[in-house]
Amino acid sequence: DAKTTQPNSMESNEEEPVHLPCNHSTISGTDYIHWYRQLPSQGPEYVIHGLTSNVNNRMASLAIAEDRKSSTLILHRATLRDAAVYYCILMETSYDKVIFGPGTSLSVIP
Amino acid sequence: DAGVIQSPRHEVTEMGQEVTLRCKPISGHNSLFWYRQTMMRGLELLIYFNNNVPIDDSGMPEDRFSAKMPNASFSTLKIQPSEPRDSAVYFCASSFSGANYGYTFGSGTRLTVV
Repeated sequence: DAKTTQPNSMESNEEEPVHLPCNHSTISGTDYIHWYRQLPSQGPEYVIHGLTSNVNNRMASLAIAEDRKSSTLILHRATLRDAAVYYCILMETSYDKVIFGPGTSLSVIP
Repeated sequence: DAGVIQSPRHEVTEMGQEVTLRCKPISGHNSLFWYRQTMMRGLELLIYFNNNVPIDDSGMPEDRFSAKMPNASFSTLKIQPSEPRDSAVYFCASSFSGANYGYTFGSGTRLTVV
């Protein structure tokens, strides 16, 4: 399985943008990049995914490097509710199971 | 849609007892996953079904664990006999098949084996 590397933890001030990095240097050409987050005492929640192009939705933006070896999840304006563990995952088209790493624990400071 | 529904939300049982966790996936989704989460090991994939057929059960810890999906709207994860080290939060997730779709997770079942 292709692996991802994320910082263990990050901090952000409330109402400021947050850029969460993810490295996936062994990504294959058909792997999708998915992001999930898990709020305290809840199940993981889908955030966004992409293949090659940058993606935007109501929750976040996903910026994918041209060589696809890294990506960044962008929260445009952090709120206290965004404090969670964020998981960057590669999903193979040939087999769509999702393997979770330890993720990045995001703290938002009021 | 009510999302992925898991029951019970909490389960406390004595060592040696049988435990059955239940999951109702989102209607129309044809992939279903069972995960287990602990502080020590994080989120672990236990088993994956596609169109009600088990595809990958390599994550099932041992023979005490079994999972079934008798139809598209119901799945169970059974532990018999249960042990204290099985204490964890168990999540069920469902999705459409394929890497271009995200998963929807249930709220989980917190299992405590005493």
